[in-house]
Amino acid sequence: DADVTQTPRNRITKTGKRIMLECSQTKGHDRMYWYRQDPGLGLRLIYYSFDVKDINKGEISDGYSVSRQAQAKFSLSLESAIPNQTALYFCATSDRITGSGQPQHFGDGTRLSIL
Amino acid sequence: AQSVAQPEDQVNVAEGNPLTVKCTYSVSGNPYLFWYVQYPNRGLQFLLKYITGDNLVKGSYGFEAEFNKSQTSFHLKKPSALVSDSALYFCAVRVNTGGGNKLTFGTGTQLKVEL
Repeated sequence: DADVTQTPRNRITKTGKRIMLECSQTKGHDRMYWYRQDPGLGLRLIYYSFDVKDINKGEISDGYSVSRQAQAKFSLSLESAIPNQTALYFCATSDRITGSGQPQHFGDGTRLSIL
Repeated sequence: AQSVAQPEDQVNVAEGNPLTVKCTYSVSGNPYLFWYVQYPNRGLQFLLKYITGDNLVKGSYGFEAEFNKSQTSFHLKKPSALVSDSALYFCAVRVNTGGGNKLTFGTGTQLKVEL
């Protein structure tokens, strides 16, 4: 979805480095999410935010932190990267106003490799 | 705990034949169910959803899904497969977070449509 932009698209870094993945959206949605995708495991939720002042842990938040800088921006940080955080990371958004049956809209992902 | 299962890692179909991608779910209460498709190097794209009403749901690109409450299934179907349908398909169920829209995803099914 071109309305959800993730940067960078690819990143290779070393163990112990601090990394920030950024997500911005022009859909005007209140809710934003960070997932990681691993082969055979599907998508797993790392953190989610229902508005700027609301941040919640997902099922695999250990080793990650997030910041909701504005309604349109939600960044994911790895404070000290480790190799098993190598994965494909997705940001997603959804609309609150039209109800909780609304689909999530995904960015094109960031492929992160930690050596 | 709410969960969704996709029992097949891969489904192979000849072009022009009908296709089915299977999904079963386990939730407390009424389920909100979704299908997404992922093409290479892209994020997930929403295909269709079941919230309530008719058990047969129609979505994008000629796909449909049948909700079966007694079998707790939500299988994705298409009457005539195209090579361009080859992609990774995810089933997801909405998790009740008191008004939120948090999704739990299956592990994905790789669909390969051959000439």
